[in-house]
Amino acid sequence: ETGVTQTPRHLVMGMTNKKSLKCEQHLGHNAMYWYKQSAKKPLELMFVYNFKEQTENNSVPSRFSPECPNSSHLFLHLHTLQPEDSALYLCASSQDRGGADTQYFGPGTRLTVL
Amino acid sequence: AQRVTQPEKLLSVFKGAPVELKCNYSYSGSPELFWYVQYSRQRLQLLLRHISRESIKGFTADLNKGETSFHLKKPFAQEEDSAMYYCALSDTDKLIFGTGTRLQVFP
Repeated sequence: ETGVTQTPRHLVMGMTNKKSLKCEQHLGHNAMYWYKQSAKKPLELMFVYNFKEQTENNSVPSRFSPECPNSSHLFLHLHTLQPEDSALYLCASSQDRGGADTQYFGPGTRLTVL
Repeated sequence: AQRVTQPEKLLSVFKGAPVELKCNYSYSGSPELFWYVQYSRQRLQLLLRHISRESIKGFTADLNKGETSFHLKKPFAQEEDSAMYYCALSDTDKLIFGTGTRLQVFP
C-alpha cells in the first residue's frame, strides 16, 4: 500500500492495558509525526521525529511513549491510559522536518479507553 | 503565542453560492499558511498553501498580513466541496492547526 498506513484502525483498551499503535510511510520521507485529534479541539501535535531522532515532545504525558526504529516506521506505545485519552490518533510524514513541508496523513487510529 | 482561529464550526450553503471559510492567525514572524481538507471517509490532505498562490478545485486563499487573515474562498460551491476544512500555520518545525470548519453544501 502506498502513502501512510496506520494499524489498528480501531482500538478499545482498559486503563491497565498496554498496547501499541503503528504507523508506516511508503513515501521515502525523513520526518514523521504523531497528532491527537479530540472532539472540539484542534489537532494537537504530540511528537516529531526527523531521521529517527525525536525533535519535539509537546509536553505529552509519559504514558505515551513513541518509538521510531527507522525513517519508515513510527510507533506509539500506550500504557495506563485515562478515559480522556480517547481520541483519534493521526500519524503524518513529510519530506523533511519543518512545518512548511506538506504533511501526508494516515487514516488514524480511533482509540477508546474504558 | 502562535495561534490559528477558525470562528465558524459549521458553514452551510446551497450549491452555486459563494463560500468563505474564515481563518485568523497570531504569529510573530513571517507566516506560512495552509488549508487542509478532510472529505468524508478520507484522510486529511493538503488543499493549498499561500506561497503557491494557486487555485485548487476552484478555491483560493489570500494572505492578508494587515488583518492577519487567510480566508478560503470559492465563488460557486459544489456538493462535493462538503468536508471539514482546517487552517494551519507553520511554526518553525511544526504545524499549528485551527479547530476546523465543517462546510455543508446542499443541492
